[in-house]
Amino acid sequence: DQQVKQNSPSLSVQEGRISILNCDYTNSMFDYFLWYKKYPAEGPTFLISISSIKDKNEDGRFTVFLNKSAKHLSLHIVPSQPGDSAVYFCAAVAHNFGNEKLTFGTGTRLTIIP
Amino acid sequence: EAGVTQFPSHSVIEKGQTVTLRCDPISGHDNLYWYRRVMGKEIKFLLHFVKESKQDESGMPNNRFLAERTGGTYSTLKVQPAELEDSGVYFCASSPREGAAFFGQGTRLTVV
Repeated sequence: DQQVKQNSPSLSVQEGRISILNCDYTNSMFDYFLWYKKYPAEGPTFLISISSIKDKNEDGRFTVFLNKSAKHLSLHIVPSQPGDSAVYFCAAVAHNFGNEKLTFGTGTRLTIIP
Repeated sequence: EAGVTQFPSHSVIEKGQTVTLRCDPISGHDNLYWYRRVMGKEIKFLLHFVKESKQDESGMPNNRFLAERTGGTYSTLKVQPAELEDSGVYFCASSPREGAAFFGQGTRLTVV
């Protein structure tokens, strides 16, 4: 049972345009969400996060939107740059009993076309 | 400041052998996690240390896997005996009391 789902395994976007990566979750106990970016042969790198008490968090070119009622979040990258080409993982945390473990989606491979 | 360091970066072993993976977290991070990614699937949680104590080991696949964090510093993950299905990339991550986890580059384990 996959609690965090990224239904698009890949996405191609023209340089300068907006990239939108989507993520759905099923566990209503999740209260904190993160996006990680991963290059080949490297570990995931933290990108941006959002608490369940918010519906938007912005950091430079990256914005994460959270729709709790739909159990859906998305990552917007604008404008997209060639260096953004990577695999993006959505992750969620349920902070109960001191639990901090991340539950990951399967990732979306983003390719930025020059 | 050094990041999370994992050793080795690659390991190829035969089925039935033993392998020990090592993780050095970021200095001062009490939380240390092990995760595994198998065959391009999602990254799955294995276990969580707070200092030297196991906070959550619900993701450990079976008793062939043993993790330790003596003294609350570096951690080791031993697989004994290794099976074919243990192949994958093992990630270690660390975090301070609050905040996002920082990942190491991973150890790619291949069991043949």
